[in-house]
Amino acid sequence: DSGVTQTPKHLITATGQRVTLRCSPRSGDLSVYWYQQSLDQGLQFLIQYYNGEERAKGNILERFSAQQFPDLHSELNLSSLELGDSALYFCASSPGHNQETQYFGPGTRLLVL
Amino acid sequence: EDQVTQSPEALRLQEGESSSLNCSYTVSGLRGLFWYRQDPGKGPEFLFTLYSAGEEKEKERLKATLTKKESFLHITAPKPEDSATYLCAVQAGGTGNQFYFGTGTSLTVIP
Repeated sequence: DSGVTQTPKHLITATGQRVTLRCSPRSGDLSVYWYQQSLDQGLQFLIQYYNGEERAKGNILERFSAQQFPDLHSELNLSSLELGDSALYFCASSPGHNQETQYFGPGTRLLVL
Repeated sequence: EDQVTQSPEALRLQEGESSSLNCSYTVSGLRGLFWYRQDPGKGPEFLFTLYSAGEEKEKERLKATLTKKESFLHITAPKPEDSATYLCAVQAGGTGNQFYFGTGTSLTVIP
């Protein structure tokens, strides 16, 4: 158990809908990272927040957005969902903001029908 | 273009048969290279971080090394419980500290 929690574990929704994935980092960690893992593309970095501020940005679609709240939990919002958005979404956390070991949560499996 | 390539895609070893996994990278401003282990349906589990060429780190049967172009994960006398997908990732300082992952090497150790 890494200490990172993600909810929900599974999510089934329809195309065009909007969903919110939630992540609670390990106690004391200030950075949160979001990744998408699909069968054909592997693990793709989406975005990093450090202490509430956006720190680094990957190939995150404009339909996706994230934020980190004052209590350091983070949410990833996915809107106008498409079939291709079906994937495992992982959250990771680390103590600082750079060159850090990341601790991954168990993931949220999203299925868009 | 920043990228990470891992080889082989899959590897089957007999228990006790040592081998190496390769991670080749091209990145602007390497901030760190990371190795993770991932079991099916679970999140990646951290193994090692390497920061500069020539650096080596060991943990039980695993040893990671780094050069300016690639990293190797050496597995000595593997056991069935070492079966997993091993992921390599780099953090690129030249592209806003983004993280890039390889597609992994799926390792199966046969008793």
